Amino acid sequence: KNEVEQSPQNLTAQEGEFITINCSYSVGISALHWLQQHPGGGIVSLFMLSSGKKKHGRLIATINIQEKHSSLHITASHPRDSAVYICAAFLNYGGSQGNLIFGKGTKLSVKP
Amino acid sequence: DAGVIQSPRHEVTEMGQEVTLRCKPISGHNSLFWYRQTMMRGLELLIYFNNNVPIDDSGMPEDRFSAKMPNASFSTLKIQPSEPRDSAVYFCASSSPRQPYGYTFGSGTRLTVV
Repeated sequence: KNEVEQSPQNLTAQEGEFITINCSYSVGISALHWLQQHPGGGIVSLFMLSSGKKKHGRLIATINIQEKHSSLHITASHPRDSAVYICAAFLNYGGSQGNLIFGKGTKLSVKP
Repeated sequence: DAGVIQSPRHEVTEMGQEVTLRCKPISGHNSLFWYRQTMMRGLELLIYFNNNVPIDDSGMPEDRFSAKMPNASFSTLKIQPSEPRDSAVYFCASSSPRQPYGYTFGSGTRLTVV
């Protein structure tokens, strides 16, 4: 069993839909990272969070440390949101950036 | 800010040859990471440096892989000798504890070993 599990593996949505991608982890972590990888291959860091919720534009990330679960939400989805979304768990955090365990990614396709 | 700069963007080499991948982190970032991405295994951390010192190289697959960071503005990942199973995209990323969104990734180097 992977230590970081994402669901769904693939997701197709219509433009405008509200999208949720889930990430569950079995290890003790101090923070969780959401990444976006575009079809061209480039990787962009979206959020790094250790508690509560963060919002950036149409993207919202939440984490529940007790339940070992995080979600990434996209409101009013758009075809340009089509990408692979990857969650990654930090085993420790702070001045010395520790080891990172990656999920397998969720491939999102938003149709116009 | 030019971001994290990796070179080359693409590399095709023959099995057995030495390959050197290069990375220039963002100025002022004190942590640097090398990742490998393959279809089978996804993203994997190979090694990371903090203040130019290697902190954890447990992800380096074997002795054929080595990484150095001689100064705060430059790092290399070397594979010698290369094998076809090393074919992957290698990403470099840098970060600072003050960075709100985590890491900044380079564009990656796509390595093909034939």
